[in-house]
Parts: sequence; structure tokens; C-alpha cells
Amino acid sequence: ETGVTQSPTHLIKTRGQQVTLRCSSQSGHNTVSWYQQALGQGPQFIFQYYREEENGRGNFPPRFSGLQFPNYSSELNVNALELDDSALYLCASSPGPVGSGDYGYTFGSGTRLTVV
Amino acid sequence: AQSVTQLGSHVSVSEGALVLLRCNYSSSVPPYLFWYVQYPNQGLQLLLKYTSAATLVKGINGFEAEFKKSETSFHLTKPSAHMSDAAEYFCAVSDPGKFYFGSGTKLNVKP
Repeated sequence: ETGVTQSPTHLIKTRGQQVTLRCSSQSGHNTVSWYQQALGQGPQFIFQYYREEENGRGNFPPRFSGLQFPNYSSELNVNALELDDSALYLCASSPGPVGSGDYGYTFGSGTRLTVV
Repeated sequence: AQSVTQLGSHVSVSEGALVLLRCNYSSSVPPYLFWYVQYPNQGLQLLLKYTSAATLVKGINGFEAEFKKSETSFHLTKPSAHMSDAAEYFCAVSDPGKFYFGSGTKLNVKP
């Protein structure tokens, strides 16, 4: 097992710009999900990808989008960045889709995004 | 939609004392429930999960949680707190295609 790795660890962007965050899932995990954790709050579910297709989404606008690749890597893209997008973004992988079993996600250490 | 409520955003205990972190869930069907721990500037680590095989679930680092359907609760306990337990703890519940976290409880352990 190699765990879940995220890159970069820190990032500063300007309002209105676009950003891509990357995640490498644990080997064999066909499900990845992304979370936004604002300072002092619990993680908020953004979306989940299962076998390269989105199959669950939280309350986030369409400017938050993602991709999952066959090699267990994935991306979170955010367009038209806003100041409120400043947060820790966490990626997590699982051997199966959440809610379909007692799968607990394995989390990465996150990317700290600051929008100025 | 599922949700979880964690009572108490901050809990402070003395080293060696009982740790009790509260979590209540809302669900019309038996849920999948989890507890995660987050140390400063790190991601989340799975402590334990409710699998419906047993109502008392044992996790890592001496933590355990009891599923009580009648009270819709899944409280986390540890008999004796250690300084290294100081962290933020999140209860979570899953729905098909979604995962909901509580707002977290910060545990402070006093020497």
C-alpha cells in the first residue's frame, strides 16, 4: 500500500484564476472523493468518482469539476476562483463507492489553497 | 439526506481520564458510521467504523464507539486519555454517493 498522496501541499492563487489539484489514490482503490475543509470546520463533500465517472456530488457549483484516471490518479479543477475557496482540499480513496458498504476512506494530507 | 451532529466543539480532559466525544446521526435506515481523527496540518485518519456486525466497535489507539439505534448515537470513548490523543475528531456518516462529516470536536488533554 502506498497511501494517498496530494500535490501540491500549498498553493496561492489570485481571484478569478483556475486551479488544478492532484491526487494519487491508494493502489486498487477504484473510488476517489474530494472534500473542502475551511478553517475551523469539518470537511464538506465535493464529489465522488467511481471507475472514472462522477457518481455523487455535494452542494458545490459546476465550477468545481474533476477527473479520475485509470492509473488511480485524479484531479480537482476549480474555475473562477473566489476568496471563499480558500481552504484545505482533501482527497480520499476507497475500494468501493461510499454508501454501498462500510468502506472507510483513506485520506491524503491535503492541499492548502489560498485565494488572494 | 443524512447528517451528523457532534455535541461540543471543544472537550478538555486530564491525562488518564475518560474521553467521551458525542455524535448523533439522522437516518431512516441503518447507516454506515465512522470516526476520524485529524492532527494539526494533516489529513484524516480512520479510527473506527460501524459495520453492523457488532454494536460495540473497537478502533485504533484504544478508542471504541457504541452504536445505539434507539438513541441514534455513535459516541466515541477511550478509558484513559493520553497526551498524544489531543487532536480534532470527526464523526461521519455515508449515503450512497455522499459522505457527511460532523463539525468536529477538538480534544485537549491536560497534564
